[in-house]
Amino acid sequence: DIQMTQSPSSLSASVGDRVTITCRASQSISTYLNWYQHKPGKAPKLLIYAASSLQSGVPSRFSGSGSGTDFSLTISSLQPEDFATYYCQQTYSILLTPLTFGQGTKLEIK
Amino acid sequence: EVQLVESGGVVVQPGGSLRLSCAASGFTFDDYMMHWVRQAPGKGLEWVSLIRWDGGSTSYADSVKGRFTISRDNSKNSLYLQMNSLRTEDTALYYCAKDTAGGNSRFDYWGQGTLVTVSS
Repeated sequence: DIQMTQSPSSLSASVGDRVTITCRASQSISTYLNWYQHKPGKAPKLLIYAASSLQSGVPSRFSGSGSGTDFSLTISSLQPEDFATYYCQQTYSILLTPLTFGQGTKLEIK
Repeated sequence: EVQLVESGGVVVQPGGSLRLSCAASGFTFDDYMMHWVRQAPGKGLEWVSLIRWDGGSTSYADSVKGRFTISRDNSKNSLYLQMNSLRTEDTALYYCAKDTAGGNSRFDYWGQGTLVTVSS
């Protein structure tokens, strides 16, 4: 199975900060990488798909980059509603290998 | 408006069985692959299973393979997860999620989840 490792596991930041979360795959997954935001009591929300494509309706302060094994999610200027847990997900060869999420990065207010 | 509503979560004893359902509306259900994802208390998201639009292909996480079975009834716009030989570590909030059509797979809509508790 493909393992996904996110860093950091938690992060404290202030409104207006620029933050970057990284995700590393245990093998090359091309750009089969998605990012989700999850708040307590809510359904997860798709932010970025195919490593760098912004999901419709998601603010442009969110961006993604990377290919192969190394990926990142950047929030250019943190807003109060951005404090949540973020997950990367690989969807490489979905009918042949299990899909996997990273362990999550909890973004907290400093 | 796309809606996914899970049901069937209860408290069940270890070794027991349970069937979860997910009622879909607001989109052409039989055009899309569907998934189950779970979140154990205090843990992250874990993908559980997928089923192709026609039910012709399925896939499972290693942690549930041989115990869980995913199915769908396109005439009822419904997704199911039959869970057998339940273990305490299966305790989680179970979400159903809709995949997109074409291109990189991703989950664009999720339900609110149904809680399964496995405890004696």
